[in-house]
Amino acid sequence: DAGVIQSPRHEVTEMGQEVTLRCKPISGHDYLFWYRQTMMRGLELLIYFNNNVPIDDSGMPEDRFSAKMPNASFSTLKIQPSEPRDSAVYFCASSFAGTGNEQFFGPGTRLTVL
Amino acid sequence: GENVEQHPSTLSVQEGDSAVIKCTYSDSASNYFPWYKQELGKRPQLIIDIRSNVGEKKDQRIAVTLNKTAKHFSLHITETQPEDSAVYFCAASEGTYKYIFGTGTRLKVLA
Repeated sequence: DAGVIQSPRHEVTEMGQEVTLRCKPISGHDYLFWYRQTMMRGLELLIYFNNNVPIDDSGMPEDRFSAKMPNASFSTLKIQPSEPRDSAVYFCASSFAGTGNEQFFGPGTRLTVL
Repeated sequence: GENVEQHPSTLSVQEGDSAVIKCTYSDSASNYFPWYKQELGKRPQLIIDIRSNVGEKKDQRIAVTLNKTAKHFSLHITETQPEDSAVYFCAASEGTYKYIFGTGTRLKVLA
């Protein structure tokens, strides 16, 4: 298995633009998590899904952020409009309830908003 | 909700010495405590975990201890090597599958 796949790996955009980050979880996993990592705030959970259904979005910072999971093999995190303070590394992780709690992280997307 | 505090934020040790990182949590219902290692520019990867029905777990040079009464858990790395240099994150479960992460400890192993 290739592991969790994220794209793009790097994104540089200008303030006000829409940004879409993509994630493909490990095949067979039923949980998907989106995290944001910054020096100031560390690893923050933004939202997570179970069987494609959003379970907890309490970490989504504001209405500019939205996430979808249209099927078991794909999820998106969208920021519209983007702001410089959104600059961070965004990680997607997945897990399978049947084998315990371990979350497997993707390589991350480094987002820079100018 | 759960709150996890992690100390120290940075730690430097001489190669061959031991390193200890400590975390406290607030929710007595938390029952799963993973530790992740993140090398520079890489993804976090699980190195060891412990469940609330166990007090200690060891895997080669790495061990984790859990004190449920005091609500704290620690990572112990013995015989440190340069490749142990990384950022280490503790986490505590909130509910069954959600983690709350600590703020991380940057470990430097000096050759």
